[in-house]
Amino acid sequence: DAGVTQSPTHLIKTRGQHVTLRCSPISGHKSVSWYQQVLGQGPQFIFQYYEKEERGRGNFPDRFSARQFPNYSSELNVNALLLGDSALYLCASSLRGAGNTEAFFGQGTRLTVV
Amino acid sequence: GENVEQHPSTLSVQEGDSAVIKCTYSDSASNYFPWYKQELGKGPQLIIDIRSNVGEKKDQRIAVTLNKTAKHFSLHITETQPEDSAVYFCAALWRDMGRRALTFGSGTRLQVQP
Repeated sequence: DAGVTQSPTHLIKTRGQHVTLRCSPISGHKSVSWYQQVLGQGPQFIFQYYEKEERGRGNFPDRFSARQFPNYSSELNVNALLLGDSALYLCASSLRGAGNTEAFFGQGTRLTVV
Repeated sequence: GENVEQHPSTLSVQEGDSAVIKCTYSDSASNYFPWYKQELGKGPQLIIDIRSNVGEKKDQRIAVTLNKTAKHFSLHITETQPEDSAVYFCAALWRDMGRRALTFGSGTRLQVQP
């Protein structure tokens, strides 16, 4: 069974650029959440989408945006990249909203901003 | 919002010994508490979870206990093996006006010495 897949696995961007990260949830899962994990810390919640609607947003600036497509895959977009955006970006998939059922994480996208 | 504190930050045990990791949370409305194991270069892997209507849950060498009154929960690993070496994260489900998200602890790096 395919788990949560994220692409790309690694990415290097320059300050001020824009980046798009992609996530495909487990087949049958309708909820996708995005988390940012800075080195040495626990993941921090960015967004949750369920049935293509935003259901929650963490304390991140408006430079961060996301969407969920009819096939339940999702994109995370970050504009005007800062050095501090360097992190592992994780996508989590769940059958319904996080907490109703278990959340399963992908391997992440390692973003480096130089 | 929810705040989760996790201790210790590092833990070194001999193979075969037990390991205990403790977490406290702040929001008494939280009702779902998963534990994740994260190996180097990988995303977090769900290893066990507990809901607020039970006090303890076991799965082979892993157990989790929950004390809702004191707002703390713990992970117990018995008969540790070198492959248990990883970073472990506790989390609590946070709800606010329809939003749901996992709030993570800062992680415990477990080293099992052969």
